Amino acid sequence: EDKVVQSPLSLVVHEGDTVTLNCSYEVTNFRSLLWYKQEKKAPTFLFMLTSSGIEKKSGRLSSILDKKELFSILNITATQTGDSAIYLCAVAGPTGKLIFGQGTTLQVKP
Amino acid sequence: DAMVIQNPRYQVTQFGKPVTLSCSQTLNHNVMYWYQQKSSQAPKLLFHYYDKDFNNEADTPDNFQSRRPNTSFCFLDIRSPGLGDAAMYLCATSRNTGPGPQYFGPGTRLLVL
Repeated sequence: EDKVVQSPLSLVVHEGDTVTLNCSYEVTNFRSLLWYKQEKKAPTFLFMLTSSGIEKKSGRLSSILDKKELFSILNITATQTGDSAIYLCAVAGPTGKLIFGQGTTLQVKP
Repeated sequence: DAMVIQNPRYQVTQFGKPVTLSCSQTLNHNVMYWYQQKSSQAPKLLFHYYDKDFNNEADTPDNFQSRRPNTSFCFLDIRSPGLGDAAMYLCATSRNTGPGPQYFGPGTRLLVL
């Protein structure tokens, strides 16, 4: 059965800290891995990764995929209170169906 | 701005009373998806349309139906809502059914009394 597992499930840090969120997967016919940020509303798209070893970067956020070891990490540097959210990892197969992990809840304290 | 719009944002219904949730998009995407997200859980795909072709997930209850009258609009009908159907319902779109990103609307939170 296809599955996506995220760790940790929750994390509390202080502003300025750097965090690393993990996502591992076992999905047949992998096509891409996506990261979303979800506050008290719908998920917002962050990154899509398809190739191993190529870092995607957007401001303080970056992500990389390892297709051999079947995992991805999402890094957030110099965290701010506005980074507090649930971060969802999802894997897409050839039909585009997304299989989501359970999410990591990040709380950034002032 | 191109976007995915859901109405209403909050919906209260009574046990067993049919309810319809609405989604529209200005992205001109071919694919529209409906997800159910319960508290502290990941979104779960109910079904999707590729253009007019309807694709139901195997474990989606018959109580849930969908209509897509045109490219821009898609509806989720819950024929007889039960207490267990209270959830956030998310609509998403993508250009095609490939592995590309899906873009989500703000969601409709459904409460069943």
